[in-house]
Amino acid sequence: ETGVTQTPRHLVMGMTNKKSLKCEQHLGHNAMYWYKQSAKKPLELMFVYSLEERVENNSVPSRFSPECPNSSHLFLHLHTLQPEDSALYLCASSQDRVFQGGELFFGEGSRLTVL
Amino acid sequence: GIQVEQSPPDLILQEGANSTLRCNFSDSVNNLQWFHQNPWGQLINLFYIPSGTKQNGRLSATTVATERYSLLYISSSQTTDSGVYFCAVEGPLSTDKLIFGTGTRLQVFP
Repeated sequence: ETGVTQTPRHLVMGMTNKKSLKCEQHLGHNAMYWYKQSAKKPLELMFVYSLEERVENNSVPSRFSPECPNSSHLFLHLHTLQPEDSALYLCASSQDRVFQGGELFFGEGSRLTVL
Repeated sequence: GIQVEQSPPDLILQEGANSTLRCNFSDSVNNLQWFHQNPWGQLINLFYIPSGTKQNGRLSATTVATERYSLLYISSSQTTDSGVYFCAVEGPLSTDKLIFGTGTRLQVFP
């Protein structure tokens, strides 16, 4: 059983839909991350939250909207996505921030397909 | 920004064989981690190793920071070792970005 859980595991949506991905960590960590993994591309960092404050927004289009209501929960709200946004979205958490030597622990991912 | 290269890109082994995976990086690092992505997509944290050597069962890793590379050793490989192995680094600018390499895809056959 992983300390970071993501729901849903699979999501199919149309370009006009609005949906959300949810991540919950049970590790007592202070930082949470969203990564995107597309076919044949390295993992890309999207957002970083530390103690519920966004500290990194890696030039992500506004159709992706993160929300961190507390240190245990992280959401990624999706609206008017494009087919090229189809990917595996991975949530991670760490006790310390990356530059402080934080070790990332990942969830199982949410596989998104945009039709 | 910092560049991360992994080799080989693909590796096919028979059960019981040993292997070495390499990660080269282009600048000094504050953070280096190895991950295993299983066939279901989950990334498993293997090692946090910005320098030195660590061992965990059949796996061990060594990072030589002054020469800008890290090695992951897998001994007596098993079919459950199959998947993609990623090296990820954070460079000298003290950011929150862990930059991932393109990975080594390992297939272990019985």
